[in-house]
Amino acid sequence: DAGVIQSPRHEVTEMGQEVTLRCKPISGHNSLFWYRQTMMRGLELLIYFNNNVPIDDSGMPEDRFSAKMPNASFSTLKIQPSEPRDSAVYFCASRGPRAQQLMNTEAFFGQGTRLTVV
Amino acid sequence: QKEVEQNSGPLSVPEGAIASLNCTYSDRGSQSFFWYRQYSGKSPELIMFIYSNGDKEDGRFTAQLNKASQYVSLLIRDSQPSDSATYLCAVNMTPPRAGGSYIPTFGRGTSLIVHP
Repeated sequence: DAGVIQSPRHEVTEMGQEVTLRCKPISGHNSLFWYRQTMMRGLELLIYFNNNVPIDDSGMPEDRFSAKMPNASFSTLKIQPSEPRDSAVYFCASRGPRAQQLMNTEAFFGQGTRLTVV
Repeated sequence: QKEVEQNSGPLSVPEGAIASLNCTYSDRGSQSFFWYRQYSGKSPELIMFIYSNGDKEDGRFTAQLNKASQYVSLLIRDSQPSDSATYLCAVNMTPPRAGGSYIPTFGRGTSLIVHP
């Protein structure tokens, strides 16, 4: 498997523009997570999906952020309008069904999208 | 607020020494614990997981878990310059409601520098 695939790898945009980040999870994984990473705050969970359904979006900073997962193999994170404080690395991660002993398996990360809003 | 705490470092050790990285977490219901390594400009990659109290060894790495103290640690023996990276502690926190999934929650990471 190619792993979690994110696109684009780098995005530079002007303040006020719409930005769409894309993610293809590992085939067979049923949980998908969107994280944002900054020096100041580390890795923050924005939203996660189980079986394509958004479960918890309490980490989404404000209404300018939205995420969708129309099917098991694709998710998007959209920022509209973008602001300079949105500049960060955005990671998508996926996780498979529970392993034995009812313990969750680990999350696998994509390569990330480095977003710069000027 | 469920939290995972790590010392940001940097932790500097000489080549060949033991590096000790520590992590505490707030959620007593947490069941599974992970250590990720992240090189600069790269994505986090899993190096160890642990579910039960005690020690778990994998090559030069040993993870230690103490659920009563809500404490997880990672020991790296015979540290190499290639181990220089940020180490992220991750804890699967209990879901906010019954039937939900355990949520991978990360500390801010400890920067490790191994100097020759």
